[in-house]
Amino acid sequence: GAVVSQHPSWVICKSGTSVKIECRSLDFQATTMFWYRQFPKQSLMLMATSNEGSKATYEQGVEKDKFLINHASLTLSTLTVTSAHPEDSSFYICSARWSTYEQYFGPGTRLTVT
Amino acid sequence: AQSVTQLDSQVPVFEEAPVELRCNYSSSVSVYLFWYVQYPNQGLQLLLKYLSGSTLVKGINGFEAEFNKSQTSFHLRKPSVHISDTAEYFCAVRFLEGSARQLTFGSGTQLTVLP
Repeated sequence: GAVVSQHPSWVICKSGTSVKIECRSLDFQATTMFWYRQFPKQSLMLMATSNEGSKATYEQGVEKDKFLINHASLTLSTLTVTSAHPEDSSFYICSARWSTYEQYFGPGTRLTVT
Repeated sequence: AQSVTQLDSQVPVFEEAPVELRCNYSSSVSVYLFWYVQYPNQGLQLLLKYLSGSTLVKGINGFEAEFNKSQTSFHLRKPSVHISDTAEYFCAVRFLEGSARQLTFGSGTQLTVLP
């Protein structure tokens, strides 16, 4: 099946710094990529949707200047958490889609801001 | 309003017993239905999906689910669970209207299989 990778799988950063998370579709071209955030024991909350070559569409309540999303190619999307704070600590999961029917999920990135 | 409800947040069950995880949705439009499994500190893995056709769908790891349009439900079942089935299970629905047609997730059900 289709594979989506994320890097890094776990990152610790200091408050005020920025961190970049990469999401790659390894064996297919993703027309659309999604970024989710998941708090412990909770469901996935969609943060933004991005189509290759265009600006991301952010969900209500998600700060676009804080969570920068770039979808530069059909196989790569990046999420940059700028000026991270402890409340940004979470599990971030990306997902990629090439058809209408199915999304493939990455393994997630655990972000801890100290 | 469109929504997805997983009625049970936690389901403990003994090994080799049957299990049913419930999922209901609210929608006035057509839907695609999915079940995903998440193991600790991992992403989501697709168990099965319903797009059209037979309302009983079979997935990986011995799971199956039945789409009931009149009850707007898509319950997940397994006749005999194993310890390795312990995980978080998410029901997800794609409501077929609008251009984005994003997945909407339920709140999840933690399945714990006891020896």
